[in-house]
Amino acid sequence: AQSVAQPEDQVNVAEGNPLTVKCTYSVSGNPYLFWYVQYPNRGLQFLLKYITGDNLVKGSYGFEAEFNKSQTSFHLKKPSALVSDSALYFCAVRDFVAAGNKLTFGGGTRVLVKP
Amino acid sequence: GAGVSQSPSNKVTEKGKDVELRCDPISGHTALYWYRQSLGQGLEFLIYFQGNSAPDKSGLPSDRFSAERTGGSVSTLTIQRTQQEDSAVYLCASSLAFGGGTDTQYFGPGTRLTVL
Repeated sequence: AQSVAQPEDQVNVAEGNPLTVKCTYSVSGNPYLFWYVQYPNRGLQFLLKYITGDNLVKGSYGFEAEFNKSQTSFHLKKPSALVSDSALYFCAVRDFVAAGNKLTFGGGTRVLVKP
Repeated sequence: GAGVSQSPSNKVTEKGKDVELRCDPISGHTALYWYRQSLGQGLEFLIYFQGNSAPDKSGLPSDRFSAERTGGSVSTLTIQRTQQEDSAVYLCASSLAFGGGTDTQYFGPGTRLTVL
């Protein structure tokens, strides 16, 4: 079975400081990994994904994530956080061979960027 | 272009009533997914449609839940005899599922269902 863990319910960071949101996963095969962001009363907005190739993936709004196979992690990062980055962030995994096209999501991490 | 649209945006119903939630996917997307977001359960997969293939219903929580996709486009999620634990935000997503599982799912704004 595929699973995702986001160990932090909330991350607080000052504007301009680096932002990291942690994600670890468990799959039986090769993982396809995704990050989504959710603003209040909105659906999920795609940020980036890792399928194969370069372990460092760059996405929307200056976000990037690093795939680490040995640590089974896919942490989301942004070098300089903005107040507008305050939102709920979800990591998701897909193990296509074992579980088909469905995504399994982590519990979400709320990011609060303070001015 | 237009994204995934869902209607209604909010639905309040009484326990025991049936409800229908609608999803209009991105034009040309062959795959359509329903997820449920609730405080207690987080984001959970419900059902997946891909072209003319039989849907993957493995996430439906009970036989009160059903979904159909007509003409390979619009989908309707039906919940019969609603219960208070059905209260949640129901999210629809679509993708260009060209095989292999590498596609990106794009989500609609959701329907917030409240069962009184």
